[in-house]
Amino acid sequence: DAGVTQSPTHLIKTRGQQVTLRCSPKSGHDTVSWYQQALGQGPQFIFQYYEEEERQRGNFPDRFSGHQFPNYSSELNVNALLLGDSALYLCASSPPLRRSQETQYFGPGTRLLVL
Amino acid sequence: GENVEQHPSTLSVQEGDSAVIKCTYSDSASNYFPWYKQELGKRPQLIIDIRSNVGEKKDQRIAVTLNKTAKHFSLHITETQPEDSAVYFCAASPAGANNLFFGTGTRLTVIP
Repeated sequence: DAGVTQSPTHLIKTRGQQVTLRCSPKSGHDTVSWYQQALGQGPQFIFQYYEEEERQRGNFPDRFSGHQFPNYSSELNVNALLLGDSALYLCASSPPLRRSQETQYFGPGTRLLVL
Repeated sequence: GENVEQHPSTLSVQEGDSAVIKCTYSDSASNYFPWYKQELGKRPQLIIDIRSNVGEKKDQRIAVTLNKTAKHFSLHITETQPEDSAVYFCAASPAGANNLFFGTGTRLTVIP
């Protein structure tokens, strides 16, 4: 059973460009959350997708957008990249909600460097 | 929103000793508290979690305690081994939110 997968593993972009990161959830999971982890910091919640809709959003600007597909995979898009967007972007998936919160399982992340 | 503070930021212990990491949270509505271990260049991995209806949970050498009144929770690792060396993150999740607010991490080094 494959766990959460993400692509690409590394990415280098220049300021002002746009980037798309991809995530495939663990088998049986229907919810995908995205986090940004700056160097030496804890992950920060960007947003969460469920049933192809954004269900919750953290304190990130509209330059960050996402999408969830019918097969539960997800994309994170960042427009007008800034130097400060350089970070590890983590995707986490969780199973169908039976309780208030379900365990989140993380992918290996995509390391984005903005020059 | 929720704010999670974590201490200490670094911790060094001798192999075989115990390690304790402490976290506080601000939102009394938080009711789920997972702990993740992140080795260098790897993904965060869940090592233990606790829900607000339980005060303590143990899994072999790892235990977590929760004090809802004081709004703090702690990770205890006994009989530490070199492979326990990593960065540990605590997190809290408010009821109905299903998203995680993380602490800033504790870098644990176990000295052989």
